Amino acid sequence: KAGVTQTPRYLIKTRGQQVTLSCSPISGHRSVSWYQQTPGQGLQFLFEYFSETQRNKGNFPGRFSGRQFSNSRSEMNVSTLELGDSALYLCASSLNPQDEKLFFGSGTQLSVL
Amino acid sequence: AQSVAQPEDQVNVAEGNPLTVKCTYSVSGNPYLFWYVQYPNRGLQFLLKYITGDNLVKGSYGFEAEFNKSQTSFHLKKPSALVSDSALYFCAVRDRSRGGSYIPTFGRGTSLIVHP
Repeated sequence: KAGVTQTPRYLIKTRGQQVTLSCSPISGHRSVSWYQQTPGQGLQFLFEYFSETQRNKGNFPGRFSGRQFSNSRSEMNVSTLELGDSALYLCASSLNPQDEKLFFGSGTQLSVL
Repeated sequence: AQSVAQPEDQVNVAEGNPLTVKCTYSVSGNPYLFWYVQYPNRGLQFLLKYITGDNLVKGSYGFEAEFNKSQTSFHLKKPSALVSDSALYFCAVRDRSRGGSYIPTFGRGTSLIVHP
């Protein structure tokens, strides 16, 4: 069975632009969460979706948003990009929010110039 | 609130020697504890978890972890390190008490380097 797929793999943007990242979970998984990974901060939780509803949101500004579609695929959007948004963005899926085990995609490496 | 501390940014060990990657946690209730590994240019992969029961948990690739409630620790161990074990290791905690968040909190990661 295919794993978690994230596209694109790499992105280069300039300050002020916006970006959309995509995540396709493992088939049958309905919960998707997003994390930002940076060398200094480790993994920071962004948000979690289940059945097209945002269940939890991390401590990030409103420029960071997301959504989940009826097929459980998820997108996250970052508007008005800042240099500090440069990071690896990881998506993880699980059967449901209570499931203990997360399956991660390879991530999208975003560079903001 | 829940938190995880991985006190070592980097651990160096010679191939064939035992390795330990340290993790301490803090939760208001009872913890779910996890270890994940990240190889270069990849996402995180699940290694093992502690939910309840035996304090020594065995996981993938010969790794194991010991839950110590009194010391609030969950150190990752392997009896004999391989060069291929070199990667970034993350400890994570989740509060499993009723009303606790299902969202795990991750540590900052420990880079394990195994020298030939």
